[in-house]
Amino acid sequence: TQLLEQSPQFLSIQEGENLTVYCNSSSVFSSLQWYRQEPGEGPVLLVTVVTGGEVKKLKRLTFQFGDARKDSSLHITAAQPGDTGLYLCAGAAGANNLFFGTGTRLTVIP
Amino acid sequence: NAGVTQTPKFRILKIGQSMTLQCTQDMNHNYMYWYRQDPGMGLKLIYYSVGAGITDKGEVPNGYNVSRSTTEDFPLRLELAAPSQTSVYFCASSYSLLAGLGTDTQYFGPGTRLTVL
Repeated sequence: TQLLEQSPQFLSIQEGENLTVYCNSSSVFSSLQWYRQEPGEGPVLLVTVVTGGEVKKLKRLTFQFGDARKDSSLHITAAQPGDTGLYLCAGAAGANNLFFGTGTRLTVIP
Repeated sequence: NAGVTQTPKFRILKIGQSMTLQCTQDMNHNYMYWYRQDPGMGLKLIYYSVGAGITDKGEVPNGYNVSRSTTEDFPLRLELAAPSQTSVYFCASSYSLLAGLGTDTQYFGPGTRLTVL
């Protein structure tokens, strides 16, 4: 089993603050995905990063894949209450094997 | 467009009972997946299917069975429910094999919350 550790596990911040969530592993992944999950719903894909060192931006969210393809980070600028949710990273290793991280539960307080 | 639908939404089982979790997708996806999500843990793959009539084990298949008789449906069967199977179960589908390589999109259903007492 390839383990993906996310940190922090819980994060509560004020609206307008910046934050970074980390996803780390000792394993190499062919690609890495970030999902957001809201209560009572399934995860929804935010982004996929494939190349080591790749940076992708989605409005106020910036995703980075580590050079060695073992880790990733998600940075949110000027967080808004709508960003509240569970953020999951998932690494792909081999066909049809997607390993999910433990998740970061973000709360943005208005 | 309904996407991926799951029934039931909630269920309580007694130890030793059996049940089937239903999953249907209307996107004509070849690939379908079952995950379980335990509190404070990430999702773990139980079984997956690459097309009608073809299924394979994921990371945590023990205690579960699946079948795939049509492209649309991928039911998950629990034969002898145990407290360790208390979890939230998610079904997902994707268009291509690339979802397994992380470069395609998996679409998730809303989940079934199962409690085994």
